[in-house]
Formats: sequence, C-alpha cells, structure tokens
Amino acid sequence: VQLVQSGAEVKKPGESLRISCKGSGYTFTNYWMSWVRQMPGRGLEWMGRIDPSDSYTNYSPSFQGHVTISTDKSITTAYLQWNSLRASDTAMYYCARHYDGASEEAFDIWGQGTMVTVSS
Amino acid sequence: SYDLTQPPSVSVSPGQTATIRCSGDELGNKFASWYQQKPGQSPVLLIYQDRERPSGIPERFSGSNSGNTATLTISGTQAMDEADYYCQAWDSSTAGVFGTGTKVTVL
Repeated sequence: VQLVQSGAEVKKPGESLRISCKGSGYTFTNYWMSWVRQMPGRGLEWMGRIDPSDSYTNYSPSFQGHVTISTDKSITTAYLQWNSLRASDTAMYYCARHYDGASEEAFDIWGQGTMVTVSS
Repeated sequence: SYDLTQPPSVSVSPGQTATIRCSGDELGNKFASWYQQKPGQSPVLLIYQDRERPSGIPERFSGSNSGNTATLTISGTQAMDEADYYCQAWDSSTAGVFGTGTKVTVL
C-alpha cells in the first residue's frame, strides 16, 4: 500500500498547477483521501478530502474556493489543483489516506510530499 | 473554527516518560489521533481512535482522551523518538483539524 506523489514544482504567481497522488496496493475507491499543507517550518494544516467512489468533496474554510480536489478512478489518482497560485501557496503538500475507509478517521498512509514553490 | 492546542516543546531524558497534551473543546467526545514527523519525512500515524496503535508502532507509544484533553505518552523514550508530534481530530462541521505541534527533544 502506497501513495506516490508527483515531483516538485516551481511556478510564478497567477499560474495554474495540478499535483497528483497515485494510490496502489489497495482498492482506491474504498478509502477517502485528504490533502494536507505544511508551510516551511510550520505545522500541518488539513485542506480538504474526497470520496473517490463518488467524488464528493469538502474543504476547510481556509482553502475553500482557492483549491480543487478531484480524482480519476480509472488511474487511481487524486489531484490537488490551483487556478491562480499565490506566493503564500509555497509549501509541502501531502496526500493522506483515511484509515479504514471512513470519512472521519485518522490518516494511515501518507504520500512522500510535493514541494510547491511560487515565486516571481 | 475548532482549535487544538499543544505545548510547543517537551524535553525528556532517555529512558524517561514524555507526555504530550492536546487541548480542545470537548475533545474527549471526539476521536483523537497522533502523528510523528521527523525532519524531511512525511508524518507517520502513531495512535488512532484515542488509544489504538497501528501495526508496527512500538508499545511505548500510548494514547488517552478525556474531557478536553488528549494525551500521547512515550514510555522509555529513545533518541529516535526525537521529532515533531501532532494531534488531530474532526470538528462538528466535518473539517479536519491538526494540533499546533510539539517538538520533542531527547536530552
């Protein structure tokens, strides 16, 4: 069981970006997936989650409207997308699988992280 | 919004017990989980559903949750336990919340 994330990205403010998280070794549609942000030298922040079986999502108020979480079941991949990046989006982003497939459960498997740097 | 507060740092001598507390309004009515994060690494789940340990997590890690406080206890602390620790719970509006994080130093 593993989550493998896409590689580091360097972008300019205002650009769009989509990063990915590929799940393997388990039934992808049976487990909710969350995204977590960690700004440099800071703590963990929950961004939002998705049920891959029906693409139902909900977001933290802090991120609602600024990011979009989606999945492609056919390739067992979750995505985190921005339409217009800001310098303050510079951070490490982790995908994390929910334990036991439940919507409100701990995160038992984590991706290796994707570093996003936004700078002019 | 729902907040979970942790002490910024905890120091412990090797072989001693480290206690990390996580405070939140009526946290005892929710499930708490705990994560360990070492520098440059992804977080690792240590405790889920207040006190359950995933397979592979040493028995020296234990958890409890009551009232407004969840507690992670590290018994017989080892040098390898030096890391950042985060609690986590789900608030009533179905949003995930992480604690502020605690840096454990093994002196």
